[in-house]
Amino acid sequence: GAVVSQHPSWVICKSGTSVKIECRSLDFQATTMFWYRQFPKQSLMLMATSNEGSKATYEQGVEKDKFLINHASLTLSTLTVTSAHPEDSSFYICSARDGRGAEETQYFGPGTRLLVL
Amino acid sequence: DQQVKQNSPSLSVQEGRISILNCDYTNSMFDYFLWYKKYPAEGPTFLISISSIKDKNEDGRFTVFLNKSAKHLSLHIVPSQPGDSAVYFCAASGSSNTGKLIFGQGTTLQVKP
Repeated sequence: GAVVSQHPSWVICKSGTSVKIECRSLDFQATTMFWYRQFPKQSLMLMATSNEGSKATYEQGVEKDKFLINHASLTLSTLTVTSAHPEDSSFYICSARDGRGAEETQYFGPGTRLLVL
Repeated sequence: DQQVKQNSPSLSVQEGRISILNCDYTNSMFDYFLWYKKYPAEGPTFLISISSIKDKNEDGRFTVFLNKSAKHLSLHIVPSQPGDSAVYFCAASGSSNTGKLIFGQGTTLQVKP
């Protein structure tokens, strides 16, 4: 159990276009999902917390108009990188919080590699 | 301000021996700690966790130790296998129930055959 998928696994786009990344919890319902970004050889940086049915909470320094998050159902959250630029190229990873157990654990998707040309 | 620190960027051990990965934290409000394993270009895989009410949790070859007074936790892998070679991240969350995880910088473990 506790499987999280992401789609697409990689995407190459032109500068100025928008890219949507989907994150799904496959076998559990996730009221909360998280979006991270990882640069090469660095740690995971939390970008935002996605709550089902409400607005996302963004971390300091993350532009909410740049990174649109929608959490329309208990199993799906989407991250849209709007007007992408080369500096947005990165590895984006989502996680879903499994609250079924006594101790909650986040399970991660496989990540999406974004390359903006 | 790095609230979770993994001071060793890399560790190399021989197959069959023990691997010990260390993690320190500064925020005394953290009450839940996790270890994740990550391969390049993949998402982190959950390994083991520990609540602050415990000082040890064991799962197969993996044991996590928590020393609250020292704000230190460690992951022991015994015996180490070549397939354990990966980047290991420790993460911590607080009692605010937001679920936010704060990650360390990661330690690259290489297990030599």
